[in-house]
Amino acid sequence: EAQVTQNPRYLITVTGKKLTVTCSQNMNHEYMSWYRQDPGLGLRQIYYSMNVEVTDKGDVPEGYKVSRKEKRNFPLILESPSPNQTSLYFCASSRRQGIAETQYFGPGTRLLVL
Amino acid sequence: GQNIDQPTEMTATEGAIVQINCTYQTSGFNGLFWYQQHAGEAPTFLSYNVLDGLEEKGRFSSFLSRSKGYSYLLLKELQMKDSASYLCAVDPGGYNKLIFGAGTRLAVHP
Repeated sequence: EAQVTQNPRYLITVTGKKLTVTCSQNMNHEYMSWYRQDPGLGLRQIYYSMNVEVTDKGDVPEGYKVSRKEKRNFPLILESPSPNQTSLYFCASSRRQGIAETQYFGPGTRLLVL
Repeated sequence: GQNIDQPTEMTATEGAIVQINCTYQTSGFNGLFWYQQHAGEAPTFLSYNVLDGLEEKGRFSSFLSRSKGYSYLLLKELQMKDSASYLCAVDPGGYNKLIFGAGTRLAVHP
């Protein structure tokens, strides 16, 4: 089954404790992206990757890191989480970035930083 | 700047028709997407418009007017399972991303 998976689905952590949220897709997609979703603000892009070893900042990259060592995986790293990073996070992928390319979303990771 | 506006909440009756509007102001335009998102779940693709006019797909239709920066999603024969948030998103072109509106939460009641 074609899908985007994320782990963990739910996470409670404390300020400053490094964490990684994994994202994997099995569709051989080139483009992958991380979003956060907050009430009233919609989905905002954190980082994106056009292909292996090609990543770039989105609209809200502060406090986050990513890597793309393999085509299928795109982990999101919070080196020192803070309470304002409490949010619902989605990973998404598409064949490539371009006209009419539908993005497929993972199930989401709900993060609470105390 | 880049901006997408849609109503925050709407209610409708089972079996009825509802229209969810979206207006956008973006630096460029490579197409507009509608996604459906049930509470606590991932957004799923509904429709894509890049040319003016109406695209019909079963009970769902989406309309685009590029000159007016306007789109709507039309849902017919509403069912309870249509209760969800509907996200309007624009590809502004050249930015390697979609710009999302905050979403419209639709409640369908019997």
